[in-house]
Amino acid sequence: DAKTTQPPSMDCAEGRAANLPCNHSTISGNEYVYWYRQIHSQGPQYIIHGLKNNETNEMASLIITEDRKSSTLILPHATLRDTAVYYCIALQGGSEKLVFGKGTKLTVNP
Amino acid sequence: DAGVIQSPRHEVTEMGQEVTLRCKPISGHNSLFWYRQTMMRGLELLIYFNNNVPIDDSGMPEDRFSAKMPNASFSTLKIQPSEPRDSAVYFCASSLRYEQYFGPGTRLTVT
Repeated sequence: DAKTTQPPSMDCAEGRAANLPCNHSTISGNEYVYWYRQIHSQGPQYIIHGLKNNETNEMASLIITEDRKSSTLILPHATLRDTAVYYCIALQGGSEKLVFGKGTKLTVNP
Repeated sequence: DAGVIQSPRHEVTEMGQEVTLRCKPISGHNSLFWYRQTMMRGLELLIYFNNNVPIDDSGMPEDRFSAKMPNASFSTLKIQPSEPRDSAVYFCASSLRYEQYFGPGTRLTVT
């Protein structure tokens, strides 16, 4: 699976959009981009995933560039409860082996 | 649904003792995963099962670790003998398709 690169930390003001970037320049055509997050002391939580089209669900939006070398997770109106470590993972279609990197620690400030 | 259930939530044991961690996956899920999380190594996949069969155990650190899934509703991760470096949070997760649901974890401390 392709390696992903994320900034170690980010800050966001409560109520504003949080845009979390992820680079995956070596991603292959059948690798999906998955996002999970881990709130302190809890197990990771699935957020969203996509292949090449932009995706949206009740939690977030995922924007994948046309060349698929990077993506952005968007939390449209961040709340204090969104403070967590966010993981971007490239996963081959059909595989179930998630490989977690260090992620981005997002802090939402009041 | 109650989600993935893990027990115990906390375990403190002495070096050399046997430790058994338990997991009940979400009903109907056909894949089960064991992860370990430490500050130094982050979150690592140890082993996963599909339809109760171990598929990939390449993350199991050594022979002291073993995992079983005797039926679709129960799995164990056993460490024998335990060592201080096994201290970590152990997560169990289950899935049906693409989304893994994680349990609350078991915090293991080996003194």
